[in-house]
Amino acid sequence: GAGVSQTPSNKVTEKGKYVELRCDPISGHTALYWYRQSLGQGPEFLIYFQGTGAADDSGLPNDRFFAVRPEGSVSTLKIQRTERGDSAVYLCASSLSRMNTEAFFGQGTRLTVV
Amino acid sequence: TQLLEQSPQFLSIQEGENLTVYCNSSSVFSSLQWYRQEPGEGPVLLVTVVTGGEVKKLKRLTFQFGDARKDSSLHITAAQTGDTGLYLCAGGRETSGSRLTFGEGTQLTVNP
Repeated sequence: GAGVSQTPSNKVTEKGKYVELRCDPISGHTALYWYRQSLGQGPEFLIYFQGTGAADDSGLPNDRFFAVRPEGSVSTLKIQRTERGDSAVYLCASSLSRMNTEAFFGQGTRLTVV
Repeated sequence: TQLLEQSPQFLSIQEGENLTVYCNSSSVFSSLQWYRQEPGEGPVLLVTVVTGGEVKKLKRLTFQFGDARKDSSLHITAAQTGDTGLYLCAGGRETSGSRLTFGEGTQLTVNP
């Protein structure tokens, strides 16, 4: 596809359940980022991949959050034992390279934990 | 800790008016970007500024990066209803790779 694609667009889950959010970046973009955006706030950084490796995971709030990018393209953000406070829009972005800060965002996945 | 402060948080104006949105920080950034976000969508990049004092124009939008690279402004001339949206500034630092720090955003509503 031409842009960053995220699936699902909406996810409602029960407290305590496990969820996976998928991001398909722009073809050829080596850098991939996950951000979280709460209502009325700007996006907050979670994790950044350069290729297959997590170059910076300092934004992950706790060990319930984990992300992978096994082949350097698609990435999956995994949240274990979801809590109501995890409810937010999870945004994925990609950029051409590590040194290029012009990031292109997907439409986001709205996660609601009930 | 919010490293980038945007003001105002909310702005409602009439079509044809001019407006300025500010993005301030006590920290230096190597680059600063402005995004616009519409409901249900991800942020869309408008501009990147990298040099202190730099001014960039995009049709009716004028972006300025402060001399000390700590602040930026977005000025819109003769606003249109299509300018309505959430405007976000985001700073990048060479020491933090491509990670961006976002402000909380300015919600702009342009009324017909």
